[in-house]
Amino acid sequence: GESVGLHLPTLSVQEGDNSIINCAYSNSASDYFIWYKQESGKGPQFIIDIRSNMDKRQGQRVTVLLNKTVKHLSLQIAATQPGDSAVYFCAENQGGKLIFGQGTELSVKP
Amino acid sequence: KAGVTQTPRYLIKTRGQQVTLSCSPISGHRSVSWYQQTPGQGLQFLFEYFSETQRNKGNFPGRFSGRQFSNSRSEMNVSTLELGDSALYLCASSFPLHPERTGELFFGEGSRLTVL
Repeated sequence: GESVGLHLPTLSVQEGDNSIINCAYSNSASDYFIWYKQESGKGPQFIIDIRSNMDKRQGQRVTVLLNKTVKHLSLQIAATQPGDSAVYFCAENQGGKLIFGQGTELSVKP
Repeated sequence: KAGVTQTPRYLIKTRGQQVTLSCSPISGHRSVSWYQQTPGQGLQFLFEYFSETQRNKGNFPGRFSGRQFSNSRSEMNVSTLELGDSALYLCASSFPLHPERTGELFFGEGSRLTVL
């Protein structure tokens, strides 16, 4: 029969705008969180990570925010570019295993 | 520095057959993890090897197995293939000595398996 795939949340932004991608994690005991970017036909690529003793961490054009109270992560991308178009995954380290979220597809309109 | 290399990139098998996938990690990386990616289930952890020992295992049946060699290269094997095993199998390498510090994984481009 026909397989049903995950319906990925999608986010469409205009080039130059800021993007915010959200993620809810499952395990309140997780203390290490990571964001990955996956372009079509490629493996996931590490973007940025954050440990639970931090609320915010900044990288080049990216910022990750962690709200442990509601078990929520967000990835902010400043001045979004066409090359940012990809699927973005959050992941949490559970005892050495990375548990990935379902992903969000970011589409950047020129 | 060369990235993670996976072979073969594409393969087609029939139900009941077995398959072996290969992964060469980045030089110096001692940890190799395997993930299955499907449209229905997303990215799911299969297992992790460190210094030739399986250090972590996901919730997959025993048909899925792996091993790591002394040069850190890894293979995974799926026996008695089922239609649902059709997926992109991703290998990732990293250096960390402690699993709790596993975060920055370097992924290969994957081996796309189709089971007919």
